Amino acid sequence: QVQLQESGPGLVKPSQTLSLTCTVSGGSISSGDYYWSWIRQPPGKGLEWIGYIYYSGSTYYNPSLKSRVTISVDTSKNQFSLKLSSVTAADTAVYYCARRDSSGYQPFDYWGQGTLVTVSS
Amino acid sequence: DIVMTQTPLSLSVTPGQPASISCKSSQSLLHSDGKTYLYWYLQKPGQPPQLLIYEVSNRFSGVPDRFSGSGSGTDFTLKISRVEAEDVGVYYCMQSIQLPLTFGPGTKVDIK
Repeated sequence: QVQLQESGPGLVKPSQTLSLTCTVSGGSISSGDYYWSWIRQPPGKGLEWIGYIYYSGSTYYNPSLKSRVTISVDTSKNQFSLKLSSVTAADTAVYYCARRDSSGYQPFDYWGQGTLVTVSS
Repeated sequence: DIVMTQTPLSLSVTPGQPASISCKSSQSLLHSDGKTYLYWYLQKPGQPPQLLIYEVSNRFSGVPDRFSGSGSGTDFTLKISRVEAEDVGVYYCMQSIQLPLTFGPGTKVDIK
């Protein structure tokens, strides 16, 4: 069974870059069967989709964050990563990685447990 | 962006009683392929969301049959026939017909 695990610093200073990695086990990113996404959830609030990457490196970013987001993939390590620049307190959230089947308009079926990132000096 | 709205935003239910949550989308979620790309998730406390219903009315693997989904176009409903204690959490609808993917604001369900 596939598992996703987020990792990265839990505390980031304002104006700096948030960097997280999602490690996938039990399945290969290189299979091409899935889109690999980042989703975030501010404390006590709802879910916001950040964007996705395909194994080939093609990406789509939510226009609301596009100017600050970079998602990359390392198929050799079976990982994909998120960078969010110029962070503010509004970027404080639990960040989840998740996968969607690449055929059609599928939902997220597997999620990581999430990692809390706090933006504070 | 497609805006998803949900009502109510919170719901307190007696165990064994039914519950119903409404979700509306700002645009039709019916695709030209005949499918409607509306999903329901449950986020239990301290956990990531888990998929309950896909394409309006299909239960995901392992989801109890007390959960059912219905609707079409822009109006959708999730029903729990008899709420159990393990059903507490926040329920989200989500659309995937158009990028960016968007979620409803969530409906918090607790037990009376």
